Amino acid sequence: QVQLVESGGGVVQPGRSLRLSCATSGFIFSSYNMQWVRQAPGKGLEWVAGIRFDGSDKNYADSVKGRFTISRDNSKNTLYLEMNSLRVEDTGVYYCARDVREFDYWGQGTLVTVSS
Amino acid sequence: DIQLTQSPSFLSASVGDRVTITCRASQGISNYLAWYQQKPGKAPKLLIYDSFNLQSGVPARFSGSGSGTEFTLTISSLQPEDFASYYCQQLKSYPITFGQGTRLEIK
Repeated sequence: QVQLVESGGGVVQPGRSLRLSCATSGFIFSSYNMQWVRQAPGKGLEWVAGIRFDGSDKNYADSVKGRFTISRDNSKNTLYLEMNSLRVEDTGVYYCARDVREFDYWGQGTLVTVSS
Repeated sequence: DIQLTQSPSFLSASVGDRVTITCRASQGISNYLAWYQQKPGKAPKLLIYDSFNLQSGVPARFSGSGSGTEFTLTISSLQPEDFASYYCQQLKSYPITFGQGTRLEIK
C-alpha cells in the first residue's frame, strides 16, 4: 500500500536550518510529482512547494521562495525540503503529498517549531 | 494568485442533516477543484477531485458540483464520523491555494 513518512522536524531557533525528509513506498515514486503542504497551529492548510517527477521543475509559495528548497532522490524514493533562514511563522506541521493533480496520499506530518 | 473563499467558516449540524459548503474562486478555474476532510491531529483526506468526482473509498453521501468560480460540497446525511474540517483546493495554476476551511461541529 502507498505510504509516505515524514521525518526531520523539531525545535529550531530563528535563522537556523532544518531538512525534512519524506520516505515513500508502495508506488513508483519516480513517476509522480510531489508536494509539501504545511499547517500552522490551529490554522488552515498552506501549500509550500512542489516538484516534478523527474526534478526538472520546482514551484514555491512566495512565503518560502529563496529560503526553502524542494528536492528528490528517485533512487531512494525520498522527497526532501531544505529549510533555511527559518522564521517563527514557519512553525507548523509539514506534510508531504503525492500529486496526481489533486493530492491523493498524504504523510502523517512532522512538526517544526521555530522559537528562541 | 487565485483566492478561494469558503462559506460558512463554521457550521453546526445534527446527525442526519444535509449540509452544503460553498467555495468561491477569485477567477475561473474550470473544474480544477478538490475537497479534503481533516480530523484533529490527522492528515487531510481527499474526498472529491475535478469538482465532482468521488475519490475511491469515499462514501456516496459526499458529492461535489460546480465549475468556473462557484463550487459546492454536499453531505446528504451527516454521520458521526463526518464532523471534521473541510478544505477546498484549486489546482488550475501555481501557487496552489486552499480555502480557509469550514469546521463542521455537532449541534
